[in-house]
Amino acid sequence: QSVLTQPPSASGTPGQRVTISCSGSSSNIGSQTVNWYQQFPGTAPQLLISLSNHRPSGVPDRFSGSKSGTSASLAISGLQSEDEADYYCAAWDVSLNVVVFGGGTKLTVL
Amino acid sequence: QVQLVESGGDVVQPGRSLRLSCAASGFTFSSYAMHWVRQAPGKGLEWVSFLWYDGSHETYSDSVKGRFTISRDNFKNTVYLQMNSLRAEDTAVYFCAGDPPSSGFAFHIWGQGTRVTVSS
Repeated sequence: QSVLTQPPSASGTPGQRVTISCSGSSSNIGSQTVNWYQQFPGTAPQLLISLSNHRPSGVPDRFSGSKSGTSASLAISGLQSEDEADYYCAAWDVSLNVVVFGGGTKLTVL
Repeated sequence: QVQLVESGGDVVQPGRSLRLSCAASGFTFSSYAMHWVRQAPGKGLEWVSFLWYDGSHETYSDSVKGRFTISRDNFKNTVYLQMNSLRAEDTAVYFCAGDPPSSGFAFHIWGQGTRVTVSS
């Protein structure tokens, strides 16, 4: 059972906009910034969004992050087939003093 | 080029020890907090441990506390994970990750991973 809750799966068709949610609590998302990672099968994760809504250099602007209260969201607009991957949210938890991850969301492009 | 390269993964019996290494290059290693993250077969990411940039502070997940120790050598640009009393549930790919200053625990740099299998 992950501290951060994500839907196990999401899907969309090319060109669509999809969002992936990440729910936490006041000790993590509610008081800390959220980071999002993208992982393709058999490879290392890559940082997609940092500080809740910042895109590192090289990340397409189709990806955006937001946070409200104890929840965060990753939005992907103009969905492309190469976006098919696993997506994870993560944040520092000030009560547990650990980094907590969501269970991951498998995105399928139909 | 910015890079983290893990090594040391192996097949070991339960109860044995293993030390993982992660060599950094292409960035100011001594400014980065360093983390270990693992991924069991077919499962999601699990954070394991982190060490402050100067080695002054470290934390562990409950699942490894008391068995694993993280350390670093800023002259060798390397972070280590000493894993003792290994269990079957420690079987995973272990990634090291770099967390630059003021990044909010964002892992900007990842290694390719090293596989640890604990089995009799």
